Amino acid sequence: VQLVESGGGLVQPGKSLKLSCSASGFTFSSYGMHWIRQAPGKGLDWVAYISSSSGTVYADAVKGRFTISRDNAKNTLYLQLNSLKSEDTAIYYCAKGGSWGQGVMVTVSS
Amino acid sequence: DVVMTQTPPSLSVAIGQSVSISCKSSQSLVYSDGKTYLHWLLQSPGRSPKRLIYQVSNLGSGVPDRFSGTGSQKDFTLKISRVEAEDLGVYYCAQTTHFPLTFGSGTKLEIK
Repeated sequence: VQLVESGGGLVQPGKSLKLSCSASGFTFSSYGMHWIRQAPGKGLDWVAYISSSSGTVYADAVKGRFTISRDNAKNTLYLQLNSLKSEDTAIYYCAKGGSWGQGVMVTVSS
Repeated sequence: DVVMTQTPPSLSVAIGQSVSISCKSSQSLVYSDGKTYLHWLLQSPGRSPKRLIYQVSNLGSGVPDRFSGTGSQKDFTLKISRVEAEDLGVYYCAQTTHFPLTFGSGTKLEIK
């Protein structure tokens, strides 16, 4: 299993960003996937989940602002981040079962 | 939300010693299928988390058997026998029984 995130960067408050997670080594379409984040020096914070049939669940802190999606043809998981706040600053990991990606940093600052 | 209370927040141990970390949940972690979705993760310095143990007591792939997990319902323990230098980092318990998924606050293991 390999998970590789991309798309992070520095963004101003209120702006948007889209993260991607490229998956390989397993049948991507058969598995639910998570996004989990970690603010600098802090613990782990679950963000969102998408099932194999594309049902979604969100943490209250991101509901209405973030959208998780998947493209099974491209073996890719996405996280659309809108209306970003400073408290969204974190490393964002995609995860499947016991496998985690290396993470991608999102910094929200003016 | 399920609150995961993890103790102690930090440990300092010598190579070869054994240590235990406790994790208590505010609700039972037994799912409707009868399984308990309590897991242990290790985040080594500068690395992403790695799953050590899944469903209370099952060793993850490639994880040495110095690691063991026990517990049930709301009370769980991770034991590391014969600590090695590579074991340093932050240990987290995590529950995936209930949404939202929640994590313990972490136990930082240092080597004396």
